[in-house]
Amino acid sequence: DAGVTQSPTHLIKTRGQQVTLRCSPKSGHDTVSWYQQALGQGPQFIFQYYEEEERQRGNFPDRFSGHQFPNYSSELNVNALLLGDSALYLCASSLAGEGGYTFGSGTRLTVV
Amino acid sequence: AQSVTQPDIHITVSEGASLELRCNYSYGATPYLFWYVQSPGQGLQLLLKYFSGDTLVQGIKGFEAEFKRSQSSFNLRKPSVHWSDAAEYFCAVGPPLASGTYKYIFGTGTRLKVLA
Repeated sequence: DAGVTQSPTHLIKTRGQQVTLRCSPKSGHDTVSWYQQALGQGPQFIFQYYEEEERQRGNFPDRFSGHQFPNYSSELNVNALLLGDSALYLCASSLAGEGGYTFGSGTRLTVV
Repeated sequence: AQSVTQPDIHITVSEGASLELRCNYSYGATPYLFWYVQSPGQGLQLLLKYFSGDTLVQGIKGFEAEFKRSQSSFNLRKPSVHWSDAAEYFCAVGPPLASGTYKYIFGTGTRLKVLA
């Protein structure tokens, strides 16, 4: 049974560019949450998607957007990249009505 | 304000010694409580969780945690540490189901070093 799959594993982008990160949730899960983990910090909530809609959003600017597809997979898009966007981006899936996440291994984004 | 505090940034213990990692939280209602472990460059693995019931929770890899409502604490313990336990440990709180919110709040982590 596959867990949460994220792609790509690593990514290097230039300031001002746009990036798309992808996530396939654990089989049976229908909810996807995205977190940003800066170096030496705990994960920070970006947003959560359920039934193809953004259900809740954290304190992140509109440059961060997402999408959930009918098969429950999800994308995180970041526009106009800043150096400060360099971080590990974690996708976490869960089943609505049950507490607790399963995390992917993350995408390491470096903005130069 | 909702927050999670892990007061120890780094902890070093000898292999075979006991371990306790501290976690205190501030939350309006009694939240769901979690401990996760993260190896370098990896995602987070769930060690254990508390939703309700018995306040002493058993997890994987021999870890346990105790919920103390009066102290707003959820400390992680292990009686005998193995070298493979060296990693970063995160305490997290999540909203109760049907609360209408879905955001989990994580502490800043405790990095565990194990001496041979």
